[in-house]
Amino acid sequence: QVQLVESGGGVVQPGRSLRLSCAASGFTFNNYGIHWVRQAPGKGLEWVAFIWYDGSNKYYADSVKGRFTISRDNSKNTLFLQMNSLRAEDTALYYCARDRAPVLTATLDYWGQGMLVTVSS
Amino acid sequence: QSALTQPASVSGSPGQSITISCIGTSSDVGGYNYVSWYQQHPGKAPKLMIYEVSNRPSGVSNRFSGSKSGNTASLTISGLQAEDEADYYCSSYTASSKVFGGGTKLTVL
Repeated sequence: QVQLVESGGGVVQPGRSLRLSCAASGFTFNNYGIHWVRQAPGKGLEWVAFIWYDGSNKYYADSVKGRFTISRDNSKNTLFLQMNSLRAEDTALYYCARDRAPVLTATLDYWGQGMLVTVSS
Repeated sequence: QSALTQPASVSGSPGQSITISCIGTSSDVGGYNYVSWYQQHPGKAPKLMIYEVSNRPSGVSNRFSGSKSGNTASLTISGLQAEDEADYYCSSYTASSKVFGGGTKLTVL
């Protein structure tokens, strides 16, 4: 069955960096685009970033553009989110989620369980 | 990338039907047929309930249905059941990104 498992979260000071990973299994990873979506404590969902099936195109929310970088290693079935210059408002549960297609359709059909990132001094 | 507008809360009794609206613009909901709806129970990951306006993924009850008119999408849940109590989020494709609604808390009375 399709599984997405996030890792790499934790507590980090403002201005520092963190890299999240998302390990995929149960499907042909390089056939699908993948998203990062976050949810601040007690708040709604916020789309963060998306990467095409082959990594050739990447899209970002305005709130993270220039600070976050999405990437993937298809040989290892793994997605990454490099987060730099972290701010308190980046504190959230970060989900990776599969798109139904290789490119952006914005239909997220499978989700991981999420990884908590806390930005605090 | 402004959020889509959803009511903060809706409620209904078991067996009744409810509808959740999702108001966007011609740049998102009105411009594409890539509207989707997600159900989220407390402490759980979101689950896809409706995609491309009105399609149900395999395994989702046919009590859930979606529609769109102009810049407004809607999710209807018929025959309300206790397990339907959750948060619901609409979402749309928009110009090489994605936008979510603020979420609606459904209470089954």
